Amino acid sequence: DTAVSQTPKYLVTQMGNDKSIKCEQNLGHDTMYWYKQDSKKFLKIMFSYNNKELIINETVPNRFSPKSPDKAHLNLHINSLELGDSAVYFCASSDGTEGWETQYFGPGTRLLVL
Amino acid sequence: SQQGEEDPQALSIQEGENATMNCSYKTSINNLQWYRQNSGRGLVHLILIRSNEREKHSGRLRVTLDTSKKSSSLLITASRAADTASYFCATDAGGAQKLVFGQGTRLTINP
Repeated sequence: DTAVSQTPKYLVTQMGNDKSIKCEQNLGHDTMYWYKQDSKKFLKIMFSYNNKELIINETVPNRFSPKSPDKAHLNLHINSLELGDSAVYFCASSDGTEGWETQYFGPGTRLLVL
Repeated sequence: SQQGEEDPQALSIQEGENATMNCSYKTSINNLQWYRQNSGRGLVHLILIRSNEREKHSGRLRVTLDTSKKSSSLLITASRAADTASYFCATDAGGAQKLVFGQGTRLTINP
């Protein structure tokens, strides 16, 4: 069974569109994260949620809105997509609330904005 | 700002040789972690070393931590083609509620 899953795996869309990426973890973890990995492989945290509550919002444009319907799911909605949003987006989860415990990553969603 | 920086950025060795990657960081930490990322995949946790530990082993992996120099190294012994991947260090950046990743070392094992 996949521990952290994301859908879709690939997302190609036009500038200005709105899209969502879904993430689910079946590890029973309390904390979930969204990361963005750019073309140079630099991985940067965007958001973290602990038990549906927003913990970290790393100066991400407000076009990005995370939503956590329950502690096993953390979705990412992106409005008015821009070319610079093209990247790989990873969801992750961890057991605990510190934010620096071992993290378990999903396979990534490759977003290409044309 | 970036906390961890890996060195070298890329490393290419022959199968069977040992591979050493280094990570330097800027602020005090609670722990330092190493992750592996195979091409087109998510990151996989390899090992965590706490700030009060100096060395840790896991199979063919050996991690050292020198808090006085704010640096860590990852040694992979007897490398295999399957070790080809990018390796990232991550720290908590002085207790911040997040992990901060370096840009990674791209390791290529040649058969």
